[in-house]
Amino acid sequence: AQSVAQPEDQVNVAEGNPLTVKCTYSVSGNPYLFWYVQYPNRGLQFLLKYITGDNLVKGSYGFEAEFNKSQTSFHLKKPSALVSDSALYFCAVRDGGGTASKLTFGTGTRLQVTL
Amino acid sequence: EAGVAQSPRYKIIEKRQSVAFWCNPISGHATLYWYQQILGQGPKLLIQFQNNGVVDDSQLPKDRFSAERLKGVDSTLKIQPAKLEDSAVYLCASSFNRVQETQYFGPGTRLLVL
Repeated sequence: AQSVAQPEDQVNVAEGNPLTVKCTYSVSGNPYLFWYVQYPNRGLQFLLKYITGDNLVKGSYGFEAEFNKSQTSFHLKKPSALVSDSALYFCAVRDGGGTASKLTFGTGTRLQVTL
Repeated sequence: EAGVAQSPRYKIIEKRQSVAFWCNPISGHATLYWYQQILGQGPKLLIQFQNNGVVDDSQLPKDRFSAERLKGVDSTLKIQPAKLEDSAVYLCASSFNRVQETQYFGPGTRLLVL
């Protein structure tokens, strides 16, 4: 069975500082990895994904994520945080070798960016 | 391009009542998903449609939940009868097809069962 772990319930960072939101995964086949962001009373908004190719993936709003196969990680990063980045972030994984496209989500990490 | 539409946005019912949620996916998206998101948790897939056929409903509590996508476009998710533990946000998502991996989510329906 596939799974995702987001070890931090909350990450606090000052505006202008770099941020990292951690994600590790477990899947039997090749991992397809995703990051979504959720603002209050809104649905999930797609940020970026890794399917294959370059391990560093760039996404929306200046976010990027690095796929590390040996550590089974897909951490989300941003060089300079903004207050408007404060939201709930979800990592998700799908087994690329499977016939169904079922996504398994982590429990989410709340990012709080302060002035 | 219009996104995934859902209605209603909020619903309050009493336990043992029934409720229905509606979803209209992005135009041209063949795959439609319903997720349940309980407070403090990540979304959990309830059911996945490919056009009007069910691909995966392994986590759908079939004794009380049902879903249909009769014409392969919009979809309805029903709960009958509702239980307190059904209080959650119900998210609908769609993707172009199963090979195209990105799922796009609607705003969700927040259900409170009293």
